[in-house]
Amino acid sequence: DAKTTQPTSMDCAEGRAANLPCNHSTISGNEYVYWYRQIHSQGPQYIIHGLKNNETNEMASLIITEDRKSSTLILPHATLRDTAVYYCIVKEGAQKLVFGQGTRLTINP
Amino acid sequence: DTEVTQTPKHLVMGMTNKKSLKCEQHMGHRAMYWYKQKAKKPPELMFVYSYEKLSINESVPSRFSPECPNSSLLNLHLHALQPEDSALYLCASSQEGGFNQPQHFGDGTRLSIL
Repeated sequence: DAKTTQPTSMDCAEGRAANLPCNHSTISGNEYVYWYRQIHSQGPQYIIHGLKNNETNEMASLIITEDRKSSTLILPHATLRDTAVYYCIVKEGAQKLVFGQGTRLTINP
Repeated sequence: DTEVTQTPKHLVMGMTNKKSLKCEQHMGHRAMYWYKQKAKKPPELMFVYSYEKLSINESVPSRFSPECPNSSLLNLHLHALQPEDSALYLCASSQEGGFNQPQHFGDGTRLSIL
């Protein structure tokens, strides 16, 4: 079973920041948090990952709480093309990504 | 654009047919993966190859037979599939070395079993 829980769906207005929460209360000390998204009819797209520090790249920012029991993915200026299912994953071991149900994010014009 | 290429994009086959799915990456990754995704469900891991050796088999039925002929190629041989095997089959690859290595996915092969 997946180690994360996410809201089933969220809406965000175009141009605003989209903040996607994720709970992972059973995360272990050496387990990373990964975020992927899947746009309809495509494979999952890697967004970002982190261990304990906040991370930022050209796509998004990842904020991890100090106790590492939850995190938030931030898309700073959402566009219509960001509409997708977003998966928060705690990687189990070196090779296993166990996907949960994810959050269906809809960006509205 | 994805750097993991899967062919074919779509495949329709009968239950008695034999077919193969192909996956290719040229990123120098040494770990490759097969996932299965049913409609409206998340992807589920099937197999993992590490340095061309099978390292994880998630109790997949023997009608699915993976093969890793070299570090850039991954095949999934299909035989005597059932209608419930209709799904999107995704390939992924990553650098070996574990926790801090993201997997990169192809866009999948959509398989329909008649």
